[in-house]
Amino acid sequence: NAGVTQTPKFRVLKTGQSMTLLCAQDMNHEYMYWYRQDPGMGLRLIHYSVGEGTTAKGEVPDGYNVSRLKKQNFLLGLESAAPSQTSVYFCASSREADSYEQYFGPGTRLTVT
Amino acid sequence: GDSVTQMEGPVTLSEEAFLTINCTYTATGYPSLFWYVQYPGEGLQLLLKATKADDKGSNKGFEATYRKETTSFHLEKGSVQVSDSAVYFCALIFYNQGGKLIFGQGTELSVKP
Repeated sequence: NAGVTQTPKFRVLKTGQSMTLLCAQDMNHEYMYWYRQDPGMGLRLIHYSVGEGTTAKGEVPDGYNVSRLKKQNFLLGLESAAPSQTSVYFCASSREADSYEQYFGPGTRLTVT
Repeated sequence: GDSVTQMEGPVTLSEEAFLTINCTYTATGYPSLFWYVQYPGEGLQLLLKATKADDKGSNKGFEATYRKETTSFHLEKGSVQVSDSAVYFCALIFYNQGGKLIFGQGTELSVKP
């Protein structure tokens, strides 16, 4: 039981490049979330999903897209990376039966130059 | 809008000192409240939670009481250890919004031997 895993752990992009971050969970959770963490700002919700095939915008969705084609995976895409997207990205999952306790992945550190 | 405010860090304490990290919230409804902890280089993990007014959450010697009258959820520990050095996040959740968490900015705790 691996919990929540994220791929890759580190990535450096040039401005304008694109990439996809993969989040996978093996706990059969319905809900999945993508956050970004920046110094002094806590975690801010980018997008979330309440079930397979559904996505919704969070607090800071601009510049990102997501997809949830399979229940266990939640992908975060950057179509044209900008330096302002340099951050640490965390994925999390939860289920209603656990009072929505969120389980976090180890994070992906992204640098855009 | 809904928000969470934590005391600013970093907080530096000597081992066995008493810890308080203040957290206050603004919310239109009756959220549940959480404390998450992030150890260096890791994702967040749930430390404790309280789901209604006057509830006390506790775990690993940490405690926090849900005070509706003062809209607060302060984290306390009677005797900190070096291993408690981490960043602590206060958060609130609305169950009718897909379990979305709203985080405070985080408080870094450093415990010296």
